[in-house]
Amino acid sequence: SQKIEQNSEALNIQEGKTATLTCNYTNYSPAYLQWYRQDPGRGPVFLLLIRENEKEKRKERLKVTFDTTLKQSLFHITASQPADSATYLCALVMDSSYKLIFGSGTRLLVRP
Amino acid sequence: DVKVTQSSRYLVKRTGEKVFLECVQDMDHENMFWYRQDPGLGLRLIYFSYDVKMKEKGDIPEGYSVSREKKERFSLILESASTNQTSMYLCASSFTGGKRYEQYFGPGTRLTVT
Repeated sequence: SQKIEQNSEALNIQEGKTATLTCNYTNYSPAYLQWYRQDPGRGPVFLLLIRENEKEKRKERLKVTFDTTLKQSLFHITASQPADSATYLCALVMDSSYKLIFGSGTRLLVRP
Repeated sequence: DVKVTQSSRYLVKRTGEKVFLECVQDMDHENMFWYRQDPGLGLRLIYFSYDVKMKEKGDIPEGYSVSREKKERFSLILESASTNQTSMYLCASSFTGGKRYEQYFGPGTRLTVT
């Protein structure tokens, strides 16, 4: 069966450390993978998109990797801050489709 | 900035009622989407529309219908609300073309059906 897995347990880290979140998928061959941030009671906000032929993408303190062999994406936030506390969702995009397939998200808590 | 607005943040309806959820976007996006979000299940696509009066079923269309009479507005209709439709409903929009995968979401409507 097709599945996207993100760690359902919250990730709790100290301010200033690097947060690493994981997105694993099975039986999909996405052309793209995206990461969104969602704050409580709000809609998701787009952060980054990475293509299947890109290994890594960066935006300010954010870094995403995409390994199509392992079927895994890693999302890193360096020098984390309490304001980074939120739920982070990964989403797969199949080629020539407008549809996104979302994981259930991982909650990140950054302690001051 | 793209703005996607939804008609209500919170809604309480009774079983069997017809429910309308409205979504409006101000960026001239061609594509619009309705999702529901439930704990542990992530966002699931109900319907999407890639043009006025055009619609396609998503992964869980049963019990829902949609209407898109104008480009900026996309409505989700629960024909006869049931308790298993209690959920957070999120509307999103996107361009076609190069940035079509980047979706902009509204704040969500938390619907409770009693």
